[in-house]
Amino acid sequence: AQSVTQLGSHVSVSEGALVLLRCNYSSSVPPYLFWYVQYPNQGLQLLLKYTTGATLVKGINGFEAEFKKSETSFHLTKPSAHMSDAAEYFCAASRGGATNKLIFGTGTLLAVQP
Amino acid sequence: AAGVIQSPRHLIKEKRETATLKCYPIPRHDTVYWYQQGPGQDPQFLISFYEKMQSDKGSIPDRFSAQQFSDYHSELNMSSLELGDSALYFCASSLGLAGREQFFGPGTRLTVL
Repeated sequence: AQSVTQLGSHVSVSEGALVLLRCNYSSSVPPYLFWYVQYPNQGLQLLLKYTTGATLVKGINGFEAEFKKSETSFHLTKPSAHMSDAAEYFCAASRGGATNKLIFGTGTLLAVQP
Repeated sequence: AAGVIQSPRHLIKEKRETATLKCYPIPRHDTVYWYQQGPGQDPQFLISFYEKMQSDKGSIPDRFSAQQFSDYHSELNMSSLELGDSALYFCASSLGLAGREQFFGPGTRLTVL
C-alpha cells in the first residue's frame, strides 16, 4: 500500500534561514507527488508537483522540491524563509489513473521566528 | 481565475440529523474528489467522481453518499450524523485523472452537537 511519511510534525526556522521539510513515499512504482500548503482555516493550495521529467521542480513562493527515486524522497526546500511562510505543509502522492486519490502525509507545521 | 466553490462554508447540526454539502468544480473540470480533515489531522479521501461516475471510494461511512450531476457539481449527503463527523470537508477538482493536480475548495466546516 502506498504511504507518505513526513519527518517532523513541527519545524521552526529563523526568518532568512533555509527551509527543509522532509517527505518520503513508499511505493513500488514512483507515484505522482505534490506539496500543498494550508493556512489556518483555509483550503489547501498547491505549491508544486512532480509527475514525470525533470526531477527538480520549482513551485510558487520560491519553493522547490527534488524527486529522488533512489531515496524515495521528495523533500521541500526554500533558500530563505519569510514570515508569511508560516503554515502547515502537506506532502501527498497519487498513483494516477482511476485511483487518482491523494494520500497525504501527516503534515509539518512550519514556524518562522523573527 | 475561477476556483472550486463549496457551500455552505459552515454548518452546525445536531446528532442524528442530515447534512448536504455542495461542491462546484472549476469550469471544464470533469473530476471531483471529497476529503475529510479532522482536527489536527491530514485530509482523508472519501470518494471521487469522473464524468459523473464514481471513480474511486475511500473510507466513506455507509451513512454518507455522494453523486456528481450533469453540470459536474457534486453533493455529499450525510445522514445520522455523529459527533465524530465534525470535521472540515474539502472538495477538489481536476481535469481528468492520471496524476492531474487537484485544486481544492475552501472547505465546509461541519460541527455536530
